[in-house]
Amino acid sequence: GQQVMQIPQYQHVQEGEDFTTYCNSSTTLSNIQWYKQRPGGHPVFLIQLVKSGEVKKQKRLTFQFGEAKKNSSLHITATQTTDVGTYFCAGLTDSWGKLQFGAGTQVVVTP
Amino acid sequence: DGGITQSPKYLFRKEGQNVTLSCEQNLNHDAMYWYRQDPGQGLRLIYYSQIVNDFQKGDIAEGYSVSREKKESFPLTVTSAQKNPTAFYLCASSSSGGTTDTQYFGPGTRLTVL
Repeated sequence: GQQVMQIPQYQHVQEGEDFTTYCNSSTTLSNIQWYKQRPGGHPVFLIQLVKSGEVKKQKRLTFQFGEAKKNSSLHITATQTTDVGTYFCAGLTDSWGKLQFGAGTQVVVTP
Repeated sequence: DGGITQSPKYLFRKEGQNVTLSCEQNLNHDAMYWYRQDPGQGLRLIYYSQIVNDFQKGDIAEGYSVSREKKESFPLTVTSAQKNPTAFYLCASSSSGGTTDTQYFGPGTRLTVL
């Protein structure tokens, strides 16, 4: 079946550094969504990408959807302690809204 | 974040007992979902409902049951047939379940079966 893979599983970052997390699907996606889950919390929607090659920015976060609509990335610049959490990508293939979540990238920020 | 409530936050049950987790939303959303989250894994879909009185199995429905008698409510029962029920359970809702819908999650219930 369709799978959404995320790498890396863990990311230790020094405060102020940049990092990128990647999401890859075995099948073409209709769109991809990104969620953030703080420790002990629940996932919160960040952004949705729909078009091939789409790039969206939210302050220090840059999201990209691949040309083939099979991969996506999240790049965070100048990491802050508030960026701590697990970032999930979720891809949609069905005509209905069933999301396939990746396993997430757990981000730890060292001051 | 607001508008979806799950209770209780922590739940303990003995092995062999059925347990029902509640999920209520006041967002007037048509679609509701139940996910299971285990450490180091993403969210896995248990059941989903696009409309009242209708629901579909997700990827890991075995050992679970749901009902959708009201638009606002989508309770999940973890039955004794579920082999490894200890997990973090998340309920979510979306406007219509359409292809561009985003999902709003409740705070979750952490179930521990002793």
